[in-house]
Amino acid sequence: AQSVTQLDSQVPVFEEAPVELRCNYSSSVSVYLFWYVQYPNQGLQLLLKYLSGSTLVESINGFEAEFNKSQTSFHLRKPSVHISDTAEYFCAVRSSRGRLTFGEGTQLTVNP
Amino acid sequence: DAGVTQSPTHLIKTRGQQVTLRCSPKSGHDTVSWYQQALGQGPQFIFQYYEEEERQRGNFPDRFSGHQFPNYSSELNVNALLLGDSALYLCASSVLGGVYQETQYFGPGTRLLVL
Repeated sequence: AQSVTQLDSQVPVFEEAPVELRCNYSSSVSVYLFWYVQYPNQGLQLLLKYLSGSTLVESINGFEAEFNKSQTSFHLRKPSVHISDTAEYFCAVRSSRGRLTFGEGTQLTVNP
Repeated sequence: DAGVTQSPTHLIKTRGQQVTLRCSPKSGHDTVSWYQQALGQGPQFIFQYYEEEERQRGNFPDRFSGHQFPNYSSELNVNALLLGDSALYLCASSVLGGVYQETQYFGPGTRLLVL
């Protein structure tokens, strides 16, 4: 069975500060990892994904995540956050048959 | 290119009633998955449909059922509603087959409140 642990339920930071949202996974088979973002009263938006190849993946809005197989982690980072990055972030692992297993989420709050 | 759409956006029902939620996948997608997101939690997988068949199912009772139509759209039905069924129901679409194709894109969700 697959599982995802997001180590921080809430992360408050100041604008323009760096941030790291931590995610650890458990999977006995090939690993496909995702980060989704959810703004209030909205659905999930795909932020970035790791399917294969380079272990460092980037999104168009400055986020990046690194797949670390030895530490079974897929932490999300951004060097400088904006107020508009305030949202709930979900890490997910996908099974070979397409089922996504999500973590409990991390609420990122960016303060001015 | 329209993304995943869901209807209705909000719904209020009473215990014991039945509800049907609808989803239209992204253009070119043939697979639909449904998730339940309770308040303050991550989404939980309900089931997935492909070629009008339930392909796999999560740990949900038989009160939860679904259907996929020839145009790939899908419905989620919940019978005998319980208070605990109150949640945001998310539909995700994807293309079956191949690692790179099976990325799921989510709709805005239907928020169901059971009183």
